[in-house]
Amino acid sequence: NAGVTQTPKFQVLKTGQSMTLQCAQDMNHNSMYWYRQDPGMGLRLIYYSASEGTTDKGEVPNGYNVSRLNKREFSLRLESAAPSQTSVYFCASTRDRDTEAFFGQGTRLTVV
Amino acid sequence: AQSVTQPDIHITVSEGASLELRCNYSYGATPYLFWYVQSPGQGLQLLLKYFSGDTLVQGIKGFEAEFKRSQSSFNLRKPSVHWSDAAEYFCAVGAGTYKYIFGTGTRLKVLA
Repeated sequence: NAGVTQTPKFQVLKTGQSMTLQCAQDMNHNSMYWYRQDPGMGLRLIYYSASEGTTDKGEVPNGYNVSRLNKREFSLRLESAAPSQTSVYFCASTRDRDTEAFFGQGTRLTVV
Repeated sequence: AQSVTQPDIHITVSEGASLELRCNYSYGATPYLFWYVQSPGQGLQLLLKYFSGDTLVQGIKGFEAEFKRSQSSFNLRKPSVHWSDAAEYFCAVGAGTYKYIFGTGTRLKVLA
């Protein structure tokens, strides 16, 4: 069982560059999420998709866009990367709201 | 507003000693409560969850947690810590929406 798969695992970007983080789950979950993790701040929700075809902003959406490509895949795009977006990004999925979340292994992004 | 507080940023215990990690939440109704563990360089893994019923819940790796409504707490315990338990632990609340709220984490160090 792969669970939640994120790519890439590491990335270095220059300020102003763009990139897309990919996430796929094979558990037939309805809901998917993107979080960022920064030291001392826990996990903060960037965007989520409650079900296929819907997306909504979380706590820190500025500078990001998302696409729920199909039920399995949920991508996160940085259009113009800034140093403040240096972080570890986690994708997660849940069967429904308030159920346990399954996390990918994370993408460590550095913007220089 | 809903919130989760983990008052201890770091905790150090000796191997074989007992462990209690604190979690307090703020939420108007009965919340859905979770504890996750994150090993270095990894994603988060569910330890246990509370939805309703028995207020003492058992999880994986010998962990348990007790929901105390009067104290708005959901503390994580383990009777005897193993060196492999060294990790970061996150408490989370499912607040009836898709926006899970995570605490800032407690980093556990285990002394041999």
